[in-house]
Amino acid sequence: AQSVTQLGSHVSVSEGALVLLRCNYSSSVPPYLFWYVQYPNQGLQLLLKYTTGATLVKGINGFEAEFKKSETSFHLTKPSAHMSDAAEYFCAVSTSQKLVFGQGTRLTINP
Amino acid sequence: NAGVTQTPKFQVLKTGQSMTLQCAQDMNHEYMSWYRQDPGMGLRLIHYSVGAGITDQGEVPNGYNVSRSTTEDFPLRLLSAAPSQTSVYFCASSYSVVGKAYNEQFFGPGTRLTVL
Repeated sequence: AQSVTQLGSHVSVSEGALVLLRCNYSSSVPPYLFWYVQYPNQGLQLLLKYTTGATLVKGINGFEAEFKKSETSFHLTKPSAHMSDAAEYFCAVSTSQKLVFGQGTRLTINP
Repeated sequence: NAGVTQTPKFQVLKTGQSMTLQCAQDMNHEYMSWYRQDPGMGLRLIHYSVGAGITDQGEVPNGYNVSRSTTEDFPLRLLSAAPSQTSVYFCASSYSVVGKAYNEQFFGPGTRLTVL
């Protein structure tokens, strides 16, 4: 069965600083990997996804993630944080009919 | 397109009451799913459906029932509400290839349920 671990339930960065949200997955077969973002009192929306092919995936709002099979990781980065990036971020993995989410990381941006 | 809609937005129940959370989508998606979101636990899959007439259990199905009579609708029924079912419930849908959850899921706005 697949699983996802997000390291750090809360991450705080200064505006303009690098954002790094960590995600490690467990899967016995090649996974499909996703990052979703949730703004307060809203549903989730897709930031980016990895299926096959290029391991560096670019998403919306300047975010990107790199699939590293050897490290079973799919960390999310953004070079320069903006106040509007404050939200909760979820990593998810699918190898079949089910999408499994990590626990989530709440990102706070300090002015 | 309205996307994925959920009703009601808020609901308060007493222990033992039953109710149905409604979910509808207008994107002709085969795959639909229900999740519950609890602090520190991410989203957990309750039930899912890969097409009309086909449903299956997710990670936390106990106390919940689903059916899928049409492509558009996927209601979630709480049979006898318990305080442990206090949560935020999200419905989602996606285009699906051979019933796999490989594509972007579109989420509804959620239903906040409190069971007293």
